[in-house]
Amino acid sequence: DAGVTQSPTHLIKTRGQQVTLRCSPKSGHDTVSWYQQALGQGPQFIFQYYEEEERQRGNFPDRFSGHQFPNYSSELNVNALLLGDSALYLCASSLGNEQYFGPGTRLTVT
Amino acid sequence: LAKTTQPISMDSYEGQEVNITCSHNNIATNDYITWYQQFPSQGPRFIIQGYKTKVTNEVASLFIPADRKSSTLSLPRVSLSDTAVYYCLGFSSGTYKYIFGTGTRLKVLA
Repeated sequence: DAGVTQSPTHLIKTRGQQVTLRCSPKSGHDTVSWYQQALGQGPQFIFQYYEEEERQRGNFPDRFSGHQFPNYSSELNVNALLLGDSALYLCASSLGNEQYFGPGTRLTVT
Repeated sequence: LAKTTQPISMDSYEGQEVNITCSHNNIATNDYITWYQQFPSQGPRFIIQGYKTKVTNEVASLFIPADRKSSTLSLPRVSLSDTAVYYCLGFSSGTYKYIFGTGTRLKVLA
């Protein structure tokens, strides 16, 4: 049984560009959450998707948007990239209370 | 949603039992306490989750006193590979959000 998978593993973008990150949840999980983790910090909650709708959102600007597909996979889109968006982006899936994380996508903005 | 406070760092020796205590004074009635382990550049790994009293699994135990204002993660007989950052966090089934703190950096020495 595959766990949470994310793609790509690493990504380098230039300021002002747009990026799309992808996540496939653990089998049987219907909820996907996205987190941003800056170096040396704990993960910060971006938003959560359930039944293809954004159910909850953290303190992130509208440049951060997402989508969930009927198969529960999800995308995170970030527009107008800033240097400060450089971080490890984590996807987590859950069914109920237990949340499982993927390996993350390392985004570097230059 | 519970805001958590943990020690910033701890050192231990191989073979010892390690106890990491987390304070969550404003925990809500419906908040679960969850602990994660994270290695550099990897996603957090679920360790254990509890609501009250004691929970034990194959890797750790979680002790939550009756007032639920703190919890203690117990790792029996740590090894060098347990060197990681450990996060305690509350999960609210009402808001569906996990709020990570800065975590406890555990260093296991030979």
